[in-house]
Amino acid sequence: GAVVSQHPSWVICKSGTSVKIECRSLDFQATTMFWYRQFPKQSLMLMATSNEGSKATYEQGVEKDKFLINHASLTLSTLTVTSAHPEDSSFYICSAREAGHGEAFFGQGTRLTVV
Amino acid sequence: AQSVTQLGSHVSVSEGALVLLRCNYSSSVPPYLFWYVQYPNQGLQLLLKYTSAATLVKGINGFEAEFKKSETSFHLTKPSAHMSDAAEYFCAVTSMNTGFQKLVFGTGTRLLVSP
Repeated sequence: GAVVSQHPSWVICKSGTSVKIECRSLDFQATTMFWYRQFPKQSLMLMATSNEGSKATYEQGVEKDKFLINHASLTLSTLTVTSAHPEDSSFYICSAREAGHGEAFFGQGTRLTVV
Repeated sequence: AQSVTQLGSHVSVSEGALVLLRCNYSSSVPPYLFWYVQYPNQGLQLLLKYTSAATLVKGINGFEAEFKKSETSFHLTKPSAHMSDAAEYFCAVTSMNTGFQKLVFGTGTRLLVSP
């Protein structure tokens, strides 16, 4: 299957700082990328969907100004958690989908800890 | 709206025993259904998918699932469990209603395999 690389795999930051997470499709062009959040021992919650070159579509209840998503190229999307607080600590996972394909491929996830 | 229900947050089996993880879906239109596996602190790996072709779908690592429209089910099975199968398993659904864009995940089932 296709490969999606997410970086970093884990990050610790101080409250009030911003953190950027990258999601790259390594061997295909990802017209659509998805960002999920996963709380411990729970399922994945879709945060937003981004199509290359356009603004992300956020799910209800997700703060756009808090979680900035950029999908500037067909192989890269970034999620920036701005002014992070301890409650933002979570496991963030991206997935990428090629146009015309039903299947999305997942990155390995990023464990964010805000102290 | 689409949804999936995974019965049993935990399933315990002995090594060599049959694995059965249950998934029931709700969808007003023909669904595409997926099973993913997640190991600790990692992303999701696709095990298998149903996309309206054969109702019995074979996936990786000896897993298979059968789509039963009359029962709105897509249960995951494996004839003989291996220790390495211990992980979290997620069932997910998508459909034409969202342009096959959005995956809706179940709450997950943790498979425990004992020697």
